[in-house]
Formats: sequence, C-alpha cells, structure tokens
Amino acid sequence: DAGVTQSPTHLIKTRGQHVTLRCSPISGHKSVSWYQQVLGQGPQFIFQYYEKEERGRGNFPDRFSARQFPNYSSELNVNALLLGDSALYLCASSLVFGYVKNIQYFGAGTRLSVL
Amino acid sequence: AQKVTQAQTEISVVEKEDVTLDCVYETRDTTYYLFWYKQPPSGELVFLIRRNSFDEQNEISGRYSWNFQKSTSSFNFTITASQVVDSAVYFCALTLLGGSARQLTFGSGTQLTVLP
Repeated sequence: DAGVTQSPTHLIKTRGQHVTLRCSPISGHKSVSWYQQVLGQGPQFIFQYYEKEERGRGNFPDRFSARQFPNYSSELNVNALLLGDSALYLCASSLVFGYVKNIQYFGAGTRLSVL
Repeated sequence: AQKVTQAQTEISVVEKEDVTLDCVYETRDTTYYLFWYKQPPSGELVFLIRRNSFDEQNEISGRYSWNFQKSTSSFNFTITASQVVDSAVYFCALTLLGGSARQLTFGSGTQLTVLP
C-alpha cells in the first residue's frame, strides 16, 4: 500500500509569491496534519484537518491556510512568501481523529526554497 | 504548554557500539503519549515507538530499547550494536489527551552518525 505522498518534492519561489503544496494520505486515513521543519530543528505543527474541518492550528500567521477535500487529500497554501518560509513541509496522516494514541505517518515532504 | 528537549545535538559512534539518545519532556497533563521517530536523509519521518503515560514498562524491539521514567520525565532510546544504517536524525515527540488537536510537539532532534 502507498504511504503518504506529497507533491512537489522540491519547489523554488521568490519572495511575495504564493505556493500550494499537496498531500495524499494513506488509504483509509481520514485525518491530515501539516508540519514545518526548518533546517536543524524539529517539525512545528501548522494545521490538522479531519473530515474537511480544521481541528487544530499552530502558531503560524494567516498567510498559511489549508483545506481538506472529500477524498481526504489536503492542500497547504502559503501567501506572500518570506525568506523565513524556506523549510521542509511535512504532511502526516492518521486513521481517525480524537484518539491520543493515534500514530501519525509522515510523507517525505516538500522542500520549499524562497529566494 | 508542553516542551520536549533533546540536549544531544550530534552523536558519533563506531559501528557495533551501543548508543543512548536522551529525551526529556515537560507537560502539566497527566495523560499523554510519547513517540520516537527516525528521519533518514530522504526526509520522511519513520515511526519507531509509541508509549502512553500510564505504562512505564521498558520496551525492547530487536536492537532498539526504550526507557520511560515518569519520575524524571524522560523517555530515552538505546540502540544496541549500532549499524551504519542507523545513521539518521532521531526525534522524540509528545502529544496530549487534552485539547482539540492531536498535534505532535517535537524535540530538536539528535543527529546520529555511525561510522564503519
């Protein structure tokens, strides 16, 4: 079975541009989370979605938004890119929402470089 | 707010040596889960283990073992007889029962290099 897939794998943008990152969860998984990992640091939580509704949001500006589609795939959008947005963006999926013991399975990420 | 600290930024060992990666966490919640993930150069975080706050039994899986001590808020990870393929960044993470989201709070990671 396919794991979490993310596209594109790499992306180069310039300051002020907009970017859309995509994630397909593991088949049967209904919850998707997004994390930002700056070089040399641990991943930081951005959003969590379940059944197309936002269930959690980390400490990120409104330039960051996301949505989940009926097939449980998800998009992360970032507007007005800043140099500091350069990072590896990780998507994770889990079977359901609400169980603290849920295991989140991660994709390989999208590496975004903002010039 | 919760916090996870991995004080060891980088560790280098020679193949077949044992190595322990430290993890200390902070939370006021009494119910939580702790995780370890491995991140190879490919970038994907690979799940290794999950442990709940009520279960302080140590766990062994092959060459991997985990020591959870609630009294010291630590969840340390030991690799026995390390191999070159163990080279990666290892993250400890915490998630809480409380709150509407089930986000993971990660430490800053430990870069493990196993030399042949």
